[in-house]
Amino acid sequence: AQSVAQPEDQVNVAEGNPLTVKCTYSVSGNPYLFWYVQYPNRGLQFLLKYITGDNLVKGSYGFEAEFNKSQTSFHLKKPSALVSDSALYFCAVRAPGRRALTFGSGTRLQVQP
Amino acid sequence: DAGVTQSPTHLIKTRGQQVTLRCSPKSGHDTVSWYQQALGQGPQFIFQYYEEEERQRGNFPDRFSGHQFPNYSSELNVNALLLGDSALYLCASSLALANQETQYFGPGTRLLVL
Repeated sequence: AQSVAQPEDQVNVAEGNPLTVKCTYSVSGNPYLFWYVQYPNRGLQFLLKYITGDNLVKGSYGFEAEFNKSQTSFHLKKPSALVSDSALYFCAVRAPGRRALTFGSGTRLQVQP
Repeated sequence: DAGVTQSPTHLIKTRGQQVTLRCSPKSGHDTVSWYQQALGQGPQFIFQYYEEEERQRGNFPDRFSGHQFPNYSSELNVNALLLGDSALYLCASSLALANQETQYFGPGTRLLVL
């Protein structure tokens, strides 16, 4: 079985400061890991993914994520937060050979001006 | 480049009724997955369709069924609606040949069951 944990329901950060949204996972085999963002009353928007290779993955809108196999983590980061980054962020995992994405419960990011 | 589209955007039904939701995949994609997102939760996988067949199914009852058409569009049908079926239903499309395929999501259909 595959699972994802996002331990923080909400993260608050001041505009211009770095942000981190945490994600840990459990899966058999090498994971495919994803981050999506959801704005109010909207679907999910793809940010970035890790399949293989460099542990640091760069994605859309200046976001990046670091894959750590020993800690089974895939934390989302951004060097300088914007107020427009305020949204709901979901981490997801997919095991090789499986079709389904398993999502975490989401973390609400609030960036204060 | 058209993204994933879903219709309708909102729907209100009563318990016991049946509903059909529709999805058109992103241009060039051939695989459609459906997810249910209850309020305050992450999306949960319902099933995936490829080559007009259900390829994998999540932990949902048989009341949930689907179909994929030759043009790759898809329908999700839910019979005998329950209050607990109220949720945002998300469609995602991907390309099967891309082994590490990324799923791209539509805006969703919000279903309210009264």
